[in-house]
Amino acid sequence: KAGVTQTPRYLIKTRGQQVTLSCSPISGHRSVSWYQQTPGQGLQFLFEYFSETQRNKGNFPGRFSGRQFSNSRSEMNVSTLELGDSALYLCASSLGQGIANTGELFFGEGSRLTVL
Amino acid sequence: SQQGEEDPQALSIQEGENATMNCSYKTSINNLQWYRQNSGRGLVHLILIRSNEREKHSGRLRVTLDTSKKSSSLLITASRAADTASYFCATVPNTGNQFYFGTGTSLTVIP
Repeated sequence: KAGVTQTPRYLIKTRGQQVTLSCSPISGHRSVSWYQQTPGQGLQFLFEYFSETQRNKGNFPGRFSGRQFSNSRSEMNVSTLELGDSALYLCASSLGQGIANTGELFFGEGSRLTVL
Repeated sequence: SQQGEEDPQALSIQEGENATMNCSYKTSINNLQWYRQNSGRGLVHLILIRSNEREKHSGRLRVTLDTSKKSSSLLITASRAADTASYFCATVPNTGNQFYFGTGTSLTVIP
């Protein structure tokens, strides 16, 4: 069974640009969540999607957005990039059955974004 | 914030020794999970312990949970160089459906 796939693995952008990151979950998993990881802030929750609906959202500005497609693949977009957006962006999938997602998360390898 | 805190932040031990790391959190939880992250990679799930459980084992891993103290510990026995990684606890509060990750413990096992 293929794991969670994130693309691209590495990317470099400049301030003001926008970026789109992609995540393909494990087959059969309907929940996809996104995290930002930085040395200073650790792992910060961005949002979670379940069956194409955003089920939960973290405390990030509106420049951070996401969506999920009918095949459960998800994308996140960051517009008007700032230097502080440099981070490892991690996607995790899970079965996510029920109202709350309390089960094991399966993470991808991440997309490392550098903003210059 | 519900975010947990791991203690110590960094730990360096010799191969064969045991490693213990602790996690504290703030609100009542549904379950607590431990994850490992090798440098620059994704997180890998290690073990899940539910709020009504006090101890759980998986191979060389032993996890305890004390809900009265809102704390958990992860013990890795007979450590190996391959155990070198960062370890994170993640909690799922009773009143929410979001995972909260701790700050992590960086473990170095010296061959």
